[in-house]
Amino acid sequence: QVQLVQSGAEVKKPGASVKVSCKASGYTFTSYGVNWVRQAPGQGLEWMGWISAYNGNTNYAQKLQGRVTMTTDTSTSTAYMELRSLRSDDTAVYYCARWDSSGYLDYWGQGTLVTVSS
Amino acid sequence: QSVLTQPPSVSGAPGQRVTISCTGSSSNIGAGYDVHWYQQLPGTAPKLLIYANFNRPSGVPDRFSGSKSGTSASLAITGLQAEDEADYYCQSYDSSLSGHVVFGGGTKLTVL
Repeated sequence: QVQLVQSGAEVKKPGASVKVSCKASGYTFTSYGVNWVRQAPGQGLEWMGWISAYNGNTNYAQKLQGRVTMTTDTSTSTAYMELRSLRSDDTAVYYCARWDSSGYLDYWGQGTLVTVSS
Repeated sequence: QSVLTQPPSVSGAPGQRVTISCTGSSSNIGAGYDVHWYQQLPGTAPKLLIYANFNRPSGVPDRFSGSKSGTSASLAITGLQAEDEADYYCQSYDSSLSGHVVFGGGTKLTVL
């Protein structure tokens, strides 16, 4: 069965960086893209960007351009999301999700809580 | 401010029917892009509920249905059950945002 398992919770200080991993299993990793979506406490879903696991092409949300980098390691079927220059409003649960070519997110990771606090 | 507009909350009694609207514009839903719906139970990750406007993934009860017309889409839930209490999000694609995925702001469904 398809599974996306994310790394554990992180606590970071303002200005630091965080890198969240998302290990995929149960399907051919390079046949699908991976999206990253975050959810601030009590708020809705915010799309962060997408990476093709086939060729590494990326597409980032405009508000995060310059601070976010998404990568994949096809040898371990793992996707990564790195966010730099963290601010308090980056505190959120970060989700990875498999991207079907028809435009929807059909499987989601369990989420990783990133807390940014001095 | 979300690109797709949903009502913040809806409610209904067990057994009733509720609908959740998702209103977009000519650069997203009105441009012909598909709408997808997700259910997020408290404390859990979102789950795909409806894809490509009206299709249900395997395992989703037929009490859930989707539709789309013009610049809007709707999610209908019939025979409301207590376990349907959750947040619901619509999602589409917006051509004015350099190929970006867009979500609605979410709707909290309360089963009375």
